[in-house]
Amino acid sequence: EAQVTQNPRYLITVTGKKLTVTCSQNMNHEYMSWYRQDPGLGLRQIYYSMNVEVTDKGDVPEGYKVSRKEKRNFPLILESPSPNQTSLYFCASSRQGVEFFGPGTRLTVL
Amino acid sequence: SQQGEEDPQALSIQEGENATMNCSYKTSINNLQWYRQNSGRGLVHLILIRSNEREKHSGRLRVTLDTSKKSSSLLITASRAADTASYFCATDAQRNTPLVFGKGTRLSVIA
Repeated sequence: EAQVTQNPRYLITVTGKKLTVTCSQNMNHEYMSWYRQDPGLGLRQIYYSMNVEVTDKGDVPEGYKVSRKEKRNFPLILESPSPNQTSLYFCASSRQGVEFFGPGTRLTVL
Repeated sequence: SQQGEEDPQALSIQEGENATMNCSYKTSINNLQWYRQNSGRGLVHLILIRSNEREKHSGRLRVTLDTSKKSSSLLITASRAADTASYFCATDAQRNTPLVFGKGTRLSVIA
């Protein structure tokens, strides 16, 4: 089944403790991206990647890192999470401009 | 760089009625898309309309695009309780540029 998977789905952590949210797609898409969704602010893009080893900042990249070492995986790294990064995170891969979203990761930073 | 803005923010209708949601955007676009999100879940693509198209249909969905007014509408006909969700428009300025999403319209369909 064609899909985008994310792990973990839920995470509660503390300020400053490094974490990684994994994202994987099995559709051989070149384009992948990360979004965060917050009430009243909608969906905002954090980072995107147009291909392996090619990443670029979206609208809200501060406090996040990404890597794209292989086509299928696009992990999101929070080196030192802070409470303002509490949010619902979505990974997506894209074909011909249409985004396919993962199920989301609900992150709480205490 | 918020591009699309949906209107209304929330809409409540009875089952069987039609639901219309609007999206306005600020700059020229390549494509406009509509997505649906059930509470807390990933967005699902519904329909894409290109800048040179004016209307598109997919099942009970009808999308129009007016580039002179920089606006689009999504019509869901004969709504069902299962249509209850948030609906987002998304635009891209040109090919291979990031999509920019609006804040969404929350649709409630009451059985």
